[in-house]
Amino acid sequence: AQSVAQPEDQVNVAEGNPLTVKCTYSVSGNPYLFWYVQYPNRGLQFLLKYITGDNLVKGSYGFEAEFNKSQTSFHLKKPSALVSDSALYFCAVRDILGTYKYIFGTGTRLKVLA
Amino acid sequence: EAQVTQNPRYLITVTGKKLTVTCSQNMNHEYMSWYRQDPGLGLRQIYYSMNVEVTDKGDVPEGYKVSRKEKRNFPLILESPSPNQTSLYFCASSSGLAGGPGETQYFGPGTRLLVL
Repeated sequence: AQSVAQPEDQVNVAEGNPLTVKCTYSVSGNPYLFWYVQYPNRGLQFLLKYITGDNLVKGSYGFEAEFNKSQTSFHLKKPSALVSDSALYFCAVRDILGTYKYIFGTGTRLKVLA
Repeated sequence: EAQVTQNPRYLITVTGKKLTVTCSQNMNHEYMSWYRQDPGLGLRQIYYSMNVEVTDKGDVPEGYKVSRKEKRNFPLILESPSPNQTSLYFCASSSGLAGGPGETQYFGPGTRLLVL
């Protein structure tokens, strides 16, 4: 069965410092991997995805993520955090051999401190 | 403007009173999904649809029904709501082009439901 784990409920980082939000996954085949962000009282917005190809994926707002097949991880990173990055971040996976089922993680709240 | 709309945005109801949450997208997307968001549980997929008249269960379909009679609309029906269905609900759509740009889901603004 597919699963996604976001081991940290909350990540605190100082403005200007690099940030990492962790995600590990489990699927039976090859995965499609996604990061979405939710700002307060808003719907989810797409950040980036890994489908195939280069393991380093660049996305919106300066975010990037690295697909690591051996560690089954897809951590979200940004070199220099902004206060406006403070939000709830979700990792998601879809098994390309399966149906249109998506599995989302439990979310990680990122707090960037000024 | 390309968007997914949901109505109502907020709803308070009582146990057992049937309700429908509507979802509509104006992007001609083939794929649509319903999710619920609960604290500590993240988003969980309730149902999805890959085309008109094609629907399938997600992870938590119990107590919900859906229909897809038109491409743009994907209503979520709670025939006999219970307090454990109190949640924040999101509709999403994508063009469904597997492995390409169509894999990006566009989410509606959410519907906050309270079942008393």
